[in-house]
Amino acid sequence: KAGVTQTPRYLIKTRGQQVTLSCSPISGHRSVSWYQQTPGQGLQFLFEYFSETQRNKGNFPGRFSGRQFSNSRSEMNVSTLELGDSALYLCASSLSEGIAAYSPLHFGNGTRLTVT
Amino acid sequence: GESVGLHLPTLSVQEGDNSIINCAYSNSASDYFIWYKQESGKGPQFIIDIRSNMDKRQGQRVTVLLNKTVKHLSLQIAATQPGDSAVYFCAENSYSGNTGKLIFGQGTTLQVKP
Repeated sequence: KAGVTQTPRYLIKTRGQQVTLSCSPISGHRSVSWYQQTPGQGLQFLFEYFSETQRNKGNFPGRFSGRQFSNSRSEMNVSTLELGDSALYLCASSLSEGIAAYSPLHFGNGTRLTVT
Repeated sequence: GESVGLHLPTLSVQEGDNSIINCAYSNSASDYFIWYKQESGKGPQFIIDIRSNMDKRQGQRVTVLLNKTVKHLSLQIAATQPGDSAVYFCAENSYSGNTGKLIFGQGTTLQVKP
């Protein structure tokens, strides 16, 4: 079974631009979550989607948004990019409804975003 | 606030020895814990999980111990191999209504010396 697929693997953008990242979950997984990973802050939760609905959101500004499609694929968008948005963005999927259920997240290899 | 912290940023062990990676969590209401391994250039890879109604769980060469009294979690790796070199994260399921989010520790780098 294919794992979580994220595209693109690398992105370089300039300040003020916007970016869209894509995630295809493991087949059969209906929950998709996004995390930001930086050396200074570690892994931080962005948001979680289930059945096209945002179920939980982390402490990030409104410039960070996401959505989920009927086939469970998900996208996240960052508008008005800032230098501090440079990070590895990780998508994860799981079988269960919401992260609170007892099912581990399975991560993709991430999209490395560099903002210049 | 909520946090999951790791006691040591780097652990260096000899190949063949056992490794123990520790983690402290702060939310006594958390009921699910997961250990992940992250290699360079890859996303975190699931290793083992444990629910709060258990004290110990074993996998292949790995054991997770949960001490709810002191809010402590540990990952034991038996007969550590060079392929075990990576950053290890513990993650905590933070109860929040019907949904939750995983809170990750800062990570421990495991270095295996041949």
